[in-house]
Amino acid sequence: AQSVAQPEDQVNVAEGNPLTVKCTYSVSGNPYLFWYVQYPNRGLQFLLKYITGDNLVKGSYGFEAEFNKSQTSFHLKKPSALVSDSALYFCAAPSGGYNKLIFGAGTRLAVHP
Amino acid sequence: EAGVTQFPSHSVIEKGQTVTLRCDPISGHDNLYWYRRVMGKEIKFLLHFVKESKQDESGMPNNRFLAERTGGTYSTLKVQPAELEDSGVYFCASSQTGQSPLHFGNGTRLTVT
Repeated sequence: AQSVAQPEDQVNVAEGNPLTVKCTYSVSGNPYLFWYVQYPNRGLQFLLKYITGDNLVKGSYGFEAEFNKSQTSFHLKKPSALVSDSALYFCAAPSGGYNKLIFGAGTRLAVHP
Repeated sequence: EAGVTQFPSHSVIEKGQTVTLRCDPISGHDNLYWYRRVMGKEIKFLLHFVKESKQDESGMPNNRFLAERTGGTYSTLKVQPAELEDSGVYFCASSQTGQSPLHFGNGTRLTVT
């Protein structure tokens, strides 16, 4: 069965420091992987996706994600965190349809001034 | 362009009552999806419309849930009768094609007491 996992419930980072939000996957075939972000009282917003090609994918708001096939990981990264990056982050993968997504449990990112 | 809108934003009902959630997708988006996040767990797929047709309703939990999209525009999700375990956040999303990123609404927070 397809699955994605986010091993951390919460990540705390100081403003200006690099951040990493972890995601591992277990999918059959060539994986499609997504990151979505949910700001307080808002819906999920698409950040970036990996389909094929370069292992480093660049997305919105300065975020990027690194696809690692050997480690079955797709970690979200940003070189310098902002307080406004504080939100809930979800890793996702299709399961039976491009937009029929399975989501990880979510990781709450808290960026402190 | 206007985003995906959902109404109401919050609903509190008693067990056994009926609730209808509404979703207005982005204009021109043929694909409409319903997802829900129950009790802070993973976000789960419920169903997918293409225009007015149900493309995939494999995620609907039981026959107390009925989704419609008459005319291929807005969609409703009715829960009748509601049970305590139906409490959670119900998200609607739309996409222009089945292969383009999802645009999510802000969700409806349903509380069944």
